[in-house]
Amino acid sequence: AQTVTQSQPEMSVQEAETVTLSCTYDTSESDYYLFWYKQPPSRQMILVIRQEAYKQQNATENRFSVNFQKAAKSFSLKISDSQLGDAAMYFCAYWLSGGGADGLTFGKGTHLIIQP
Amino acid sequence: DTAVSQTPKYLVTQMGNDKSIKCEQNLGHDTMYWYKQDSKKFLKIMFSYNNKELIINETVPNRFSPKSPDKAHLNLHINSLELGDSAVYFCASSARGSYEAFFGQGTRLTVV
Repeated sequence: AQTVTQSQPEMSVQEAETVTLSCTYDTSESDYYLFWYKQPPSRQMILVIRQEAYKQQNATENRFSVNFQKAAKSFSLKISDSQLGDAAMYFCAYWLSGGGADGLTFGKGTHLIIQP
Repeated sequence: DTAVSQTPKYLVTQMGNDKSIKCEQNLGHDTMYWYKQDSKKFLKIMFSYNNKELIINETVPNRFSPKSPDKAHLNLHINSLELGDSAVYFCASSARGSYEAFFGQGTRLTVV
């Protein structure tokens, strides 16, 4: 079974600075998808960024970028120029390709605090 | 127009009761899911369902049952509610091959 590990229960960063959230995963598969979701206090699950394992290029979405190291099974999220609205729980997740019905496997989350 | 909607948003009920949470998606997706988020914020899949296949996470008690009246709806029925069932339940949907899940806003269930 696949597992996703987020080793940082909580992170704190000053507004406008950069923060990196860590994620590692365990799988014997070669084709899969990785995600970062944001969950603000409103409870809504918001997709931040997605990475396809067969793509070597790291995904980016505006201030959000990932460092995907397939051999190391590592998938970290970098948030640049942190803003107060970035404060939330962040979940790393895995989805096996071809396993559409299997759904997402989530890590336990990292609570990100933005200091004004 | 909300893509994936759940009702109710909040549900407080007594132990032993039977309750349902409704989910509807207007995205035309063919697969729907139920996830449970516990008090420690851990999210875990409970069910996935399309018109051909129901996959049940083996850890889910059989008091929980998904029911799909049609492709756009996947309701969650819970019998004989227990205190430990208190959690936030999320419905989600995805299109075949897309690997992108759209989530509802969640239902906070409190069993007293």
